[in-house]
Amino acid sequence: NAGVMQNPRHLVRRRGQEARLRCSPMKGHSHVYWYRQLPEEGLKFMVYLQKENIIDESGMPKERFSAEFPKEGPSILRIQQVVRGDSAAYFCASSPPEGGSREQFFGPGTRLTVL
Amino acid sequence: GQSLEQPSEVTAVEGAIVQINCTYQTSGFYGLSWYQQHDGGAPTFLSYNALDGLEETGRFSSFLSRSDSYGYLLLQELQMKDSASYFCAVRGTGGGNKLTFGTGTQLKVEL
Repeated sequence: NAGVMQNPRHLVRRRGQEARLRCSPMKGHSHVYWYRQLPEEGLKFMVYLQKENIIDESGMPKERFSAEFPKEGPSILRIQQVVRGDSAAYFCASSPPEGGSREQFFGPGTRLTVL
Repeated sequence: GQSLEQPSEVTAVEGAIVQINCTYQTSGFYGLSWYQQHDGGAPTFLSYNALDGLEETGRFSSFLSRSDSYGYLLLQELQMKDSASYFCAVRGTGGGNKLTFGTGTQLKVEL
């Protein structure tokens, strides 16, 4: 029973390039969340998605960042024209379809380094 | 908005009991959760309080007092492997299930 999967685990990009981070939720989970963690800091919510719908994107920067969770395939967090300040660990989490889940299950994260 | 404050660092010896506090300011929430994160690792769920009082899960217990805007995580019989960062988090009532995390407490367990 595989947990939440994220790839790549490590990603290096030069300033101005695009970064694509992928997340496959746990089997049977239809809710996906993306969080960002800067070094020595806590996790900050970015976006909450269900299949083909963005439910809450209140934590997403207004520019350069986008997320999707298509009917088929993984959820994608896309960062265009990356800058050094985007260097962080990006964690994806999932939860079951029933509302009010008390627990979110986190993936291993993607560590993005922008040179 | 929501904010959750935790002590930045706590040190304790193996076998001891340690309490990690979390004070919060929020307009409303479903429950208070605790997550553990080892260096370079993913956060993992430890405990959840929907109601006031104590929840016990093995060596870990968590407490919530909504009237005091306060909660804590209690770790008993500390082991070296408990050295990690611990985060409290609230699941808000504003719609959706997003978690707002606290500032985090780094626990160091010494011999």
